Amino acid sequence: EDKVVQSPLSLVVHEGDTVTLNCSYEVTNFRSLLWYKQEKKAPTFLFMLTSSGIEKKSGRLSSILDKKELSSILNITATQTGDSAIYLCAVEYAGGTSYGKLTFGQGTILTVHP
Amino acid sequence: DTAVSQTPKYLVTQMGNDKSIKCEQNLGHDTMYWYKQDSKKFLKIMFSYNNKELIINETVPNRFSPKSPDKAHLNLHINSLELGDSAVYFCASSFQRTNSGNTIYFGEGSWLTVV
Repeated sequence: EDKVVQSPLSLVVHEGDTVTLNCSYEVTNFRSLLWYKQEKKAPTFLFMLTSSGIEKKSGRLSSILDKKELSSILNITATQTGDSAIYLCAVEYAGGTSYGKLTFGQGTILTVHP
Repeated sequence: DTAVSQTPKYLVTQMGNDKSIKCEQNLGHDTMYWYKQDSKKFLKIMFSYNNKELIINETVPNRFSPKSPDKAHLNLHINSLELGDSAVYFCASSFQRTNSGNTIYFGEGSWLTVV
């Protein structure tokens, strides 16, 4: 069965700290890995990764995929209280007509204190 | 304008009732999805439709029936609601690219509570 595991499950830091969130996966047919940020409502898209070793960056956030290790990391530098959220990792399955089928991890709850 | 919008946002109903959740996207996508987020916060796919055609149906009880009148709309009808149906239901949409990854955009969720 396809599985996505995130660690840590929760993390409490102070503003200005740098955090690294981990995601590992066991998926039979991998197409892409996506990171989302979920505050109180919709998961908001952050990154989509398909190629190993290529870092994607958006402001203080960056992410990279390692297909050999079947994992990805999401880095947030100089954290702010607005970064407090659940960060979700998902892997898109590629097989038959199942495009867009995402298997999600359980999420990492990040709390940033002032 | 909200890209993926769903109604109602909150729904409290009694066991045994039938209810519907509506979803619309204005992103021009050809594929729409329903995902369910349970109390443990896991998001799991239920259905996907591509151009009004059912593509994915993930072992969901047949009390759940999706309907797609056109590619911009995907509604979810639930018959004979049970306590275990209480969850947040997210509608989502994307293009269906077969040669690269698909970025999937989510609506704000519909909080269903069955009492």
